[in-house]
Amino acid sequence: DGGITQSPKYLFRKEGQNVTLSCEQNLNHDAMYWYRQDPGQGLRLIYYSQIVNDFQKGDIAEGYSVSREKKESFPLTVTSAQKNPTAFYLCASQQGARYNSPLHFGNGTRLTVT
Amino acid sequence: QQQVKQSPQSLIVQKGGISIINCAYENTAFDYFPWYQQFPGKGPALLIAIRPDVSEKKEGRFTISFNKSAKQFSLHIMDSQPGDSATYFCAAFTGGGNKLTFGTGTQLKVEL
Repeated sequence: DGGITQSPKYLFRKEGQNVTLSCEQNLNHDAMYWYRQDPGQGLRLIYYSQIVNDFQKGDIAEGYSVSREKKESFPLTVTSAQKNPTAFYLCASQQGARYNSPLHFGNGTRLTVT
Repeated sequence: QQQVKQSPQSLIVQKGGISIINCAYENTAFDYFPWYQQFPGKGPALLIAIRPDVSEKKEGRFTISFNKSAKQFSLHIMDSQPGDSATYFCAAFTGGGNKLTFGTGTQLKVEL
């Protein structure tokens, strides 16, 4: 089945530790995105990448980093600089980043930092 | 800065009733308006979408109404069913920015 796989589903970390969230897609999509979902705030864009080896900051990039070394993979690192890292993180992909091309989302990773 | 404002935050509707969710935007550069549906523990999935040159789009029980002059659009779910219970997000896309801006979401519960 084609789709997006996010792992792990739940992740627990101690404050001050960096943590990397995995996102893999086998849809052969060009564009990939990371969103953060918090109650009452909707989905906010962290980073996005339209092509391998290139990515742009979204609206809330501070404290996060990404890489796009392969078309199918777009890992997100939550660094210790992120002030409120506990959230539900969603990865998405899109064919061509065109307006009428829907985003395909993974099932998310819930990160809890204590 | 919230570029897409969505209301209500939560909504309870009786089975068979009409669910209405409203969104408003400010950026006139937005040129595509999708709605996403999200079930608990899952990622959102595209439900229906509209371009600003169309005032209404219907797919089954789901209808988007679009008012370009008022910069508002809404989702209507006719004959709402318990299986429609989910969180709904409106969104707006600008080709120039090449990214999607989401509303804050509406948690819909359809009761028997």
